[in-house]
Amino acid sequence: DAGITQSPRHKVTETGTPVTLRCHQTENHRYMYWYRQDPGHGLRLIHYSYGVKDTDKGEVSDGYSVSRSKTEDFLLTLESATSSQTSVYFCAISDQDGAYEQYFGPGTRLTVT
Amino acid sequence: SQQGEEDPQALSIQEGENATMNCSYKTSINNLQWYRQNSGRGLVHLILIRSNEREKHSGRLRVTLDTSKKSSSLLITASRAADTASYFCATDATDSWGKLQFGAGTQVVVTP
Repeated sequence: DAGITQSPRHKVTETGTPVTLRCHQTENHRYMYWYRQDPGHGLRLIHYSYGVKDTDKGEVSDGYSVSRSKTEDFLLTLESATSSQTSVYFCAISDQDGAYEQYFGPGTRLTVT
Repeated sequence: SQQGEEDPQALSIQEGENATMNCSYKTSINNLQWYRQNSGRGLVHLILIRSNEREKHSGRLRVTLDTSKKSSSLLITASRAADTASYFCATDATDSWGKLQFGAGTQVVVTP
């Protein structure tokens, strides 16, 4: 795996609680992405970052926010978790402008009860 | 909405056989990529084919792209048990700069 870690790897939380997932890279790549993976849907982009403090929305951004204060860290926050946000979350990185090869982290399995 | 749709959804073959899966997409693209995901792991990039390319090879992988039909195929030759995984196509649409759109994947099982 490229130098990407995600924490926590597993989390169970209750509806209405805030949750923050962390993606950490040691590759110094400019671009970072958060996806969610659900059965039958493949991966869907939540938010992405094209530099420190530069972020933009993906196709399923409602209910999520992100922050990137350092090149190596990209945080995904669920402001008030809902059961529909139960999913596997993947972080990815890329060092190329445009949509080229992305390197994925191991994923975080989140269950909202 | 998904840009890419893989077909079949699932494929079961024996070691040594070839595996072919297809991807159809809806809009013009800059490139199309294929990724593999082993159970419980993150995705791994396999191959990228640009919109002006028709065929590309990488080891036992062969990818074709037909932009007139908006479709691509991934062929894995001489399959091995280690090829058991889900395979996803991802497209870089010309109207969606910098964002990949993934299909739902093809689940491939290779039995010894």
